[in-house]
Amino acid sequence: GQQLNQSPQSMFIQEGEDVSMNCTSSSIFNTWLWYKQEPGEGPVLLIALYKAGELTSNGRLTAQFGITRKDSFLNISASIPSDVGIYFCAGQSGGSNYKLTFGKGTLLTVNP
Amino acid sequence: DGGITQSPKYLFRKEGQNVTLSCEQNLNHDAMYWYRQDPGQGLRLIYYSQIVNDFQKGDIAEGYSVSREKKESFPLTVTSAQKNPTAFYLCASSLKTGYEQYFGPGTRLTVT
Repeated sequence: GQQLNQSPQSMFIQEGEDVSMNCTSSSIFNTWLWYKQEPGEGPVLLIALYKAGELTSNGRLTAQFGITRKDSFLNISASIPSDVGIYFCAGQSGGSNYKLTFGKGTLLTVNP
Repeated sequence: DGGITQSPKYLFRKEGQNVTLSCEQNLNHDAMYWYRQDPGQGLRLIYYSQIVNDFQKGDIAEGYSVSREKKESFPLTVTSAQKNPTAFYLCASSLKTGYEQYFGPGTRLTVT
């Protein structure tokens, strides 16, 4: 079955630093999604990517859909304490395929 | 406000009892999903429903049951047959299957 490798597993950074995380897949996806989850809450959709090579921003967040369609990257610029949480990538094969395949998440800690 | 609600936030049950988790959405989405999240794990799909009166098993359906009698509602029953029911349960919906999914706030179930 499809597998997603998300890295790094965790990051400890200082406020103001930039952050990068990525997901790679053994299969091609037609859609890449990035979610943020805070403790005890449900994941919140941050960015959705639909085309290979697409680069999309949402405030300080920027995500890219890899050219090979097997990877995606999320960057956070000028991190702030409220960026703390677990970031998940998810890939979808598209069409009527229901299934989202999730990465295991990157735990981000920001030291003020 | 449009969104997905799950209740209760925390649920405690004795082993051997069935328990039903509620999920309601007012987004007019056709598709709804149930996921299970365990510490350090990605989300795993339990059941999904593409449309009213239809539902399909996901990757880990054993010990769970669902119904979809109304578009807005997709309750999940955790039966006594589920070997390790203690987990964080997340409900999601999407306009249709294959579209980006939006999550509810989750229900933490503890079975002792």
